[in-house]
Amino acid sequence: GNSVTQMEGPVTLSEEAFLTINCTYTATGYPSLFWYVQYPGEGLQLLLKATKADDKGSNKGFEATYRKETTSFHLEKGSVQVSDSAVYFCALSDAGANNLFFGTGTRLTVIP
Amino acid sequence: DTGVSQDPRHKITKRGQNVTFRCDPISEHNRLYWYRQTLGQGPEFLTYFQNEAQLEKSRLLSDRFSAERPKGSFSTLEIQRTEQGDSAMYLCASSFWRDGYQETQYFGPGTRLLVL
Repeated sequence: GNSVTQMEGPVTLSEEAFLTINCTYTATGYPSLFWYVQYPGEGLQLLLKATKADDKGSNKGFEATYRKETTSFHLEKGSVQVSDSAVYFCALSDAGANNLFFGTGTRLTVIP
Repeated sequence: DTGVSQDPRHKITKRGQNVTFRCDPISEHNRLYWYRQTLGQGPEFLTYFQNEAQLEKSRLLSDRFSAERPKGSFSTLEIQRTEQGDSAMYLCASSFWRDGYQETQYFGPGTRLLVL
Protein backbone atom coordinates (compact mmCIF):
# COMPACT_ATOMS: atom_id res chain seq x y z
CA GLY A 1 0.00 0.00 0.00
CA ASN A 2 0.86 3.67 0.05
CA SER A 3 2.44 5.30 3.09
CA VAL A 4 4.75 8.12 4.08
CA THR A 5 7.16 8.04 7.01
CA GLN A 6 8.31 11.40 8.17
CA MET A 7 10.93 12.53 10.65
CA GLU A 8 9.31 13.16 13.98
CA GLY A 9 9.56 16.53 15.58
CA PRO A 10 9.48 18.95 16.99
CA VAL A 11 12.57 20.50 15.47
CA THR A 12 14.00 23.68 16.93
CA LEU A 13 16.69 25.58 15.07
CA SER A 14 18.40 28.92 15.37
CA GLU A 15 17.94 31.42 12.58
CA GLU A 16 20.27 30.81 9.61
CA ALA A 17 20.80 27.14 10.54
CA PHE A 18 20.58 24.35 7.97
CA LEU A 19 17.36 22.36 7.87
CA THR A 20 16.75 18.76 6.87
CA ILE A 21 13.44 16.98 7.39
CA ASN A 22 13.56 13.35 6.33
CA CYS A 23 10.77 11.69 4.39
CA THR A 24 10.60 8.17 2.99
CA TYR A 25 7.72 6.55 1.20
CA THR A 26 6.17 3.26 0.14
CA ALA A 27 4.04 3.28 -2.98
CA THR A 28 2.78 1.21 -5.85
CA GLY A 29 3.73 2.48 -9.28
CA TYR A 30 5.38 5.84 -9.72
CA PRO A 31 3.99 8.41 -7.29
CA SER A 32 4.26 12.16 -7.32
CA LEU A 33 5.78 13.58 -4.14
CA PHE A 34 4.92 16.76 -2.29
CA TRP A 35 5.83 18.92 0.65
CA TYR A 36 2.97 20.92 2.15
CA VAL A 37 3.37 23.54 4.87
CA GLN A 38 0.88 24.69 7.49
CA TYR A 39 1.66 28.04 9.07
CA PRO A 40 0.05 28.86 12.42
CA GLY A 41 -3.67 29.53 12.00
CA GLU A 42 -3.60 28.86 8.25
CA GLY A 43 -4.53 26.04 5.89
CA LEU A 44 -2.22 23.63 4.12
CA GLN A 45 -0.19 25.19 1.32
CA LEU A 46 1.81 23.42 -1.32
CA LEU A 47 5.49 24.16 -0.79
CA LEU A 48 7.04 22.11 -3.60
CA LYS A 49 6.56 18.96 -5.61
CA ALA A 50 8.32 16.47 -7.88
CA THR A 51 6.59 14.16 -10.29
CA LYS A 52 9.31 11.74 -11.38
CA ALA A 53 12.58 10.24 -10.24
CA ASP A 54 15.55 12.64 -9.94
CA ASP A 55 13.29 15.69 -10.22
CA LYS A 56 14.11 18.46 -7.78
CA GLY A 57 11.30 20.60 -6.42
CA SER A 58 12.17 24.02 -5.06
CA ASN A 59 10.40 27.06 -3.63
CA LYS A 60 11.21 29.84 -1.15
CA GLY A 61 14.72 28.46 -0.65
CA PHE A 62 13.46 24.95 0.15
CA GLU A 63 14.50 21.99 -1.99
CA ALA A 64 13.70 18.29 -2.17
CA THR A 65 14.92 15.67 -4.66
CA TYR A 66 12.87 12.61 -5.66
CA ARG A 67 15.17 9.64 -4.99
CA LYS A 68 13.63 6.45 -6.31
CA GLU A 69 16.55 4.24 -5.27
CA THR A 70 16.17 5.23 -1.62
CA THR A 71 12.41 6.00 -1.81
CA SER A 72 13.07 9.36 -0.20
CA PHE A 73 12.11 13.00 -0.61
CA HIS A 74 14.00 14.88 2.09
CA LEU A 75 13.28 18.58 2.57
CA GLU A 76 16.26 20.94 2.92
CA LYS A 77 16.88 24.63 3.35
CA GLY A 78 20.27 26.19 3.68
CA SER A 79 19.38 29.04 6.03
CA VAL A 80 16.08 29.06 7.91
CA GLN A 81 14.26 32.16 9.06
CA VAL A 82 11.87 32.76 11.93
CA SER A 83 9.07 33.02 9.37
CA ASP A 84 9.68 29.38 8.37
CA SER A 85 8.25 28.22 11.69
CA ALA A 86 5.39 25.92 10.71
CA VAL A 87 4.36 22.28 10.41
CA TYR A 88 5.71 20.52 7.33
CA PHE A 89 3.96 17.52 5.76
CA CYS A 90 5.42 15.11 3.24
CA ALA A 91 2.82 13.52 0.95
CA LEU A 92 2.51 11.28 -2.07
CA SER A 93 -0.06 10.86 -4.78
CA ASP A 94 -0.22 7.50 -6.47
CA ALA A 95 -1.50 7.87 -10.01
CA GLY A 96 -3.90 5.01 -9.41
CA ALA A 97 -5.24 6.38 -6.16
CA ASN A 98 -5.69 10.08 -7.00
CA ASN A 99 -5.82 11.14 -3.37
CA LEU A 100 -2.89 12.27 -1.22
CA PHE A 101 -1.25 10.18 1.49
CA PHE A 102 0.36 12.30 4.20
CA GLY A 103 3.04 11.81 6.79
CA THR A 104 2.39 12.80 10.38
CA GLY A 105 3.99 16.22 10.01
CA THR A 106 7.09 17.82 11.52
CA ARG A 107 6.79 20.98 13.56
CA LEU A 108 9.65 23.39 12.98
CA THR A 109 10.36 26.29 15.32
CA VAL A 110 13.06 28.79 14.36
CA ILE A 111 14.34 31.01 17.14
CA PRO A 112 16.09 34.34 16.55
CA ASP B 1 -10.31 35.54 -3.03
CA THR B 2 -10.41 32.63 -5.47
CA GLY B 3 -9.14 29.91 -3.14
CA VAL B 4 -11.00 27.02 -1.56
CA SER B 5 -13.41 28.16 1.14
CA GLN B 6 -15.05 26.21 3.93
CA ASP B 7 -17.91 27.02 6.23
CA PRO B 8 -18.15 27.09 9.16
CA ARG B 9 -14.58 27.46 10.37
CA HIS B 10 -15.49 26.15 13.80
CA LYS B 11 -18.33 23.98 15.05
CA ILE B 12 -19.11 22.87 18.58
CA THR B 13 -21.86 20.31 18.97
CA LYS B 14 -23.19 17.86 21.48
CA ARG B 15 -22.78 14.13 21.07
CA GLY B 16 -25.60 12.64 19.04
CA GLN B 17 -26.30 15.75 16.98
CA ASN B 18 -25.91 15.93 13.22
CA VAL B 19 -23.51 18.41 11.62
CA THR B 20 -23.01 19.54 8.04
CA PHE B 21 -19.97 21.29 6.58
CA ARG B 22 -19.74 23.11 3.27
CA CYS B 23 -16.85 23.43 0.84
CA ASP B 24 -16.63 25.76 -2.15
CA PRO B 25 -13.77 24.73 -4.46
CA ILE B 26 -11.76 26.85 -6.86
CA SER B 27 -14.25 27.53 -9.63
CA GLU B 28 -12.51 25.80 -12.56
CA HIS B 29 -11.59 22.69 -10.56
CA ASN B 30 -13.53 19.54 -11.36
CA ARG B 31 -12.23 17.41 -8.48
CA LEU B 32 -13.08 17.93 -4.83
CA TYR B 33 -11.65 15.99 -1.88
CA TRP B 34 -12.48 15.66 1.80
CA TYR B 35 -9.83 14.83 4.40
CA ARG B 36 -9.84 14.56 8.18
CA GLN B 37 -6.94 15.70 10.33
CA THR B 38 -6.69 14.75 13.98
CA LEU B 39 -4.30 16.38 16.42
CA GLY B 40 -0.67 15.54 15.72
CA GLN B 41 -1.46 13.62 12.54
CA GLY B 42 -1.42 14.30 8.84
CA PRO B 43 -4.63 14.61 6.85
CA GLU B 44 -6.43 11.35 6.15
CA PHE B 45 -8.36 10.95 2.91
CA LEU B 46 -12.11 10.38 3.20
CA THR B 47 -13.74 10.74 -0.23
CA TYR B 48 -13.58 12.60 -3.52
CA PHE B 49 -15.76 13.76 -6.39
CA GLN B 50 -15.17 14.36 -10.04
CA ASN B 51 -17.81 16.87 -11.01
CA GLU B 52 -20.95 15.54 -9.30
CA ALA B 53 -19.87 11.88 -9.25
CA GLN B 54 -18.49 10.47 -6.02
CA LEU B 55 -15.71 8.21 -7.29
CA GLU B 56 -14.33 6.94 -4.00
CA LYS B 57 -16.16 6.63 -0.71
CA SER B 58 -14.82 3.45 0.80
CA ARG B 59 -12.53 5.49 3.05
CA LEU B 60 -15.40 7.28 4.77
CA LEU B 61 -15.01 6.42 8.42
CA SER B 62 -18.45 4.91 8.99
CA ASP B 63 -21.96 4.96 7.59
CA ARG B 64 -22.58 8.04 9.74
CA PHE B 65 -20.46 10.02 7.27
CA SER B 66 -21.82 11.06 3.90
CA ALA B 67 -20.89 13.64 1.27
CA GLU B 68 -22.61 15.21 -1.69
CA ARG B 69 -21.73 17.46 -4.59
CA PRO B 70 -25.11 17.77 -6.30
CA LYS B 71 -24.29 20.24 -9.05
CA GLY B 72 -20.60 19.61 -9.39
CA SER B 73 -19.70 22.84 -7.64
CA PHE B 74 -19.86 23.09 -3.83
CA SER B 75 -19.90 20.00 -1.63
CA THR B 76 -21.27 19.13 1.79
CA LEU B 77 -19.99 16.63 4.33
CA GLU B 78 -22.50 15.42 6.89
CA ILE B 79 -21.83 13.53 10.09
CA GLN B 80 -24.86 11.99 11.73
CA ARG B 81 -25.11 11.10 15.41
CA THR B 82 -21.76 12.66 16.20
CA GLU B 83 -19.41 11.01 18.66
CA GLN B 84 -16.56 12.52 20.66
CA GLY B 85 -14.11 10.66 18.44
CA ASP B 86 -15.34 12.71 15.47
CA SER B 87 -13.64 15.80 16.92
CA ALA B 88 -11.07 16.80 14.32
CA MET B 89 -10.27 19.28 11.55
CA TYR B 90 -12.14 18.52 8.33
CA LEU B 91 -10.31 19.70 5.24
CA CYS B 92 -11.52 20.20 1.72
CA ALA B 93 -9.26 20.37 -1.32
CA SER B 94 -9.82 20.82 -5.04
CA SER B 95 -7.87 20.19 -8.20
CA PHE B 96 -8.22 20.04 -11.95
CA TRP B 97 -8.08 16.67 -13.68
CA ARG B 98 -7.96 16.03 -17.41
CA ASP B 99 -7.01 13.04 -19.53
CA GLY B 100 -5.33 11.19 -16.67
CA TYR B 101 -3.30 14.18 -15.53
CA GLN B 102 -4.07 15.65 -12.15
CA GLU B 103 -2.86 19.02 -11.07
CA THR B 104 -1.98 20.07 -7.55
CA GLN B 105 -4.59 19.84 -4.81
CA TYR B 106 -5.32 23.16 -3.12
CA PHE B 107 -6.65 23.09 0.41
CA GLY B 108 -9.19 25.18 2.23
CA PRO B 109 -8.71 26.48 5.78
CA GLY B 110 -10.68 23.61 7.31
CA THR B 111 -13.62 23.25 9.68
CA ARG B 112 -12.66 22.41 13.24
CA LEU B 113 -15.27 20.21 14.91
CA LEU B 114 -15.52 19.70 18.65
CA VAL B 115 -18.03 17.17 19.93
CA LEU B 116 -18.86 17.54 23.61
